Amino acid sequence: KNEVEQSPQNLTAQEGEFITINCSYSVGISALHWLQQHPGGGIVSLFMLSSGKKKHGRLIATKNIQEKHSSLHITASHPRDSAVYICAVDRIQGAQKLVFGQGTRLTINP
Amino acid sequence: EPEVTQTPSHQVTQMGQEVILRCVPISNHLYFYWYRQILGQKVEFLVSFYNNEISEKSEIFDDQFSVERPDGSNFTLKIRSTKLEDSAMYFCASRLGGPTGFFGPGTRLTVL
Repeated sequence: KNEVEQSPQNLTAQEGEFITINCSYSVGISALHWLQQHPGGGIVSLFMLSSGKKKHGRLIATKNIQEKHSSLHITASHPRDSAVYICAVDRIQGAQKLVFGQGTRLTINP
Repeated sequence: EPEVTQTPSHQVTQMGQEVILRCVPISNHLYFYWYRQILGQKVEFLVSFYNNEISEKSEIFDDQFSVERPDGSNFTLKIRSTKLEDSAMYFCASRLGGPTGFFGPGTRLTVL
């Protein structure tokens, strides 16, 4: 079983729609990251969460420690938001390497 | 804003050849990582490096792989004898002491 599970794997929506991507994890973590990967392959860090909620522009990330769950929301989605969104966690044990989810491929159509 | 850089952006090599992937982490960072992503798969941890030695490595990181921080600024990943299945995107990351947050843009390695 994967330590980090994301859903959905693929998501297609129309411009302007509210987007939610979910992440569940099964291990003890010190932090959770939301990352964005564009077709060229580079990874950009969007959020690092210890707990609670963070907002940056149209992006909102929430984390529920008890339920071991996080969500990434995109408001007023735009075609330029099309990318793969990856959830990754910093495990408490070990060298604090990141453990990655499989990613959610988001496509926003105009 | 400081950033992690990687060179080359794309490396094509023949099976059995040695390759060295280079990374320049953020200058005051202490912990360094290599990850890889095979096309269509999730990103996987390869190795972490701290205080001039490997602190953890995955099953993928066998004797064909090695890492080095030769001059205090570069952080390199060497694959001694490349295999077809080594074709992937390789990401370097670094952190100062808090959670990892800084990734390089990646090197796409293609083994023919």
